[in-house]
Amino acid sequence: GAVVSQHPSRVICKSGTSVKIECRSLDFQATTMFWYRQFPKKSLMLMATSNEGSKATYEQGVEKDKFLINHASLTLSTLTVTSAHPEDSSFYICSASVDELNTEAFFGQGTRLTVV
Amino acid sequence: DAKTTQPTSMDCAEGRAANLPCNHSTISGNEYVYWYRQIHSQGPQYIIHGLKNNETNEMASLIITEDRKSSTLILPHATLRDTAVYYCIVRVYTDKLIFGTGTRLQVFP
Repeated sequence: GAVVSQHPSRVICKSGTSVKIECRSLDFQATTMFWYRQFPKKSLMLMATSNEGSKATYEQGVEKDKFLINHASLTLSTLTVTSAHPEDSSFYICSASVDELNTEAFFGQGTRLTVV
Repeated sequence: DAKTTQPTSMDCAEGRAANLPCNHSTISGNEYVYWYRQIHSQGPQYIIHGLKNNETNEMASLIITEDRKSSTLILPHATLRDTAVYYCIVRVYTDKLIFGTGTRLQVFP
């Protein structure tokens, strides 16, 4: 299957700082990417839909000024957690679709963010 | 909100078939049934999807009832590496994936 890579896999940052997470589609172009977060022993929660060349669409309750999403190319989307707080500590996962119909989504390996 | 209902957890002996049920009684005619699984601390992995016919691939089989209100994912010969959380999701092709709570499958020796 198609490969989606996230970087970094783990990151620790101090409260008040910002951290950027990258999501790359390695062997295909993705017009749409999705960002999820997951708390321990919970399911994945969709945060936003990222469209190449346009503004991201955020799910209800997700602060767009706190979670900045940029999808500047067909193979790269970034999620920046701004002014991080300990409650932002979570597992962040991206996914990308191989076609415009979003037939099948492939997921990155996830990024474990710890804010201290 | 997720449109599916799955048992919270299931056990299966290694080498036996694992049958994971999913209820989607409000499924629409243009919605597909998707299955993903998530092994601990990894991103979800696609398993299989179908519309109304039964489907089989190298990983699993998907059995969808005639009225499409429920389905069963079958792992024919479960191994310890199949221990994971399995998510059943219904969606139209162009829509986003919304995850429910899933079924935690524990395969034991």
